[in-house]
Amino acid sequence: KQEVTQIPAALSVPEGENLVLNCSFTDSAIYNLQWFRQDPGKGLTSLLLIQSSQREQTSGRLNASLDKSSGRSTLYIAASQPGDSATYLCAVYNSGAGSYQLTFGKGTKLSVIP
Amino acid sequence: DGGITQSPKYLFRKEGQNVTLSCEQNLNHDAMYWYRQDPGQGLRLIYYSQIVNDFQKGDIAEGYSVSREKKESFPLTVTSAQKNPTAFYLCASSRRQDGFNGYTFGSGTRLTVV
Repeated sequence: KQEVTQIPAALSVPEGENLVLNCSFTDSAIYNLQWFRQDPGKGLTSLLLIQSSQREQTSGRLNASLDKSSGRSTLYIAASQPGDSATYLCAVYNSGAGSYQLTFGKGTKLSVIP
Repeated sequence: DGGITQSPKYLFRKEGQNVTLSCEQNLNHDAMYWYRQDPGQGLRLIYYSQIVNDFQKGDIAEGYSVSREKKESFPLTVTSAQKNPTAFYLCASSRRQDGFNGYTFGSGTRLTVV
């Protein structure tokens, strides 16, 4: 069974700092990986989607990388801002016939201090 | 704009009552999903549907029921058999079950037992 781990569970950084959030998964036979952002009491907002054949995706100050062989993905946030404060979740979809197999990590709660 | 609409945002249930959470999407997505989110537990899958008139149980389906009579709609009923229904409920959709184009989430419904 796929397991997704996000470390650290919480992170506090000063404004302007570059930071990296980590996501690891136990089964490398993934179809894709998606990073989400969740603000308190809100739904999930998609940030980046990486297909299994891709190594990275970029959107503005965000860059997500994927290393299937080592079971790792990182989300890099450049020049952090207080508005980046939120919980960041990664989710992986495992390839294979039959049942639905999307697995979420428990998230990293990011606080950017002004 | 296309998206997923969940209603109501807040819902209060009395003991022994059934309540229904609404989820509507105008993205023309085939697959729809219901998740439950509890503090410290991450997202857990309740039910999912790949096509109209078909749905499958997820990891925690007991005490819940769904229907998929229209492509756009996937309502979730929390029955009196669900002993601990207080949680944040999220609905999601994807163009295909394999999430090739990623998953889109609604803004959630917070259910509280009173």
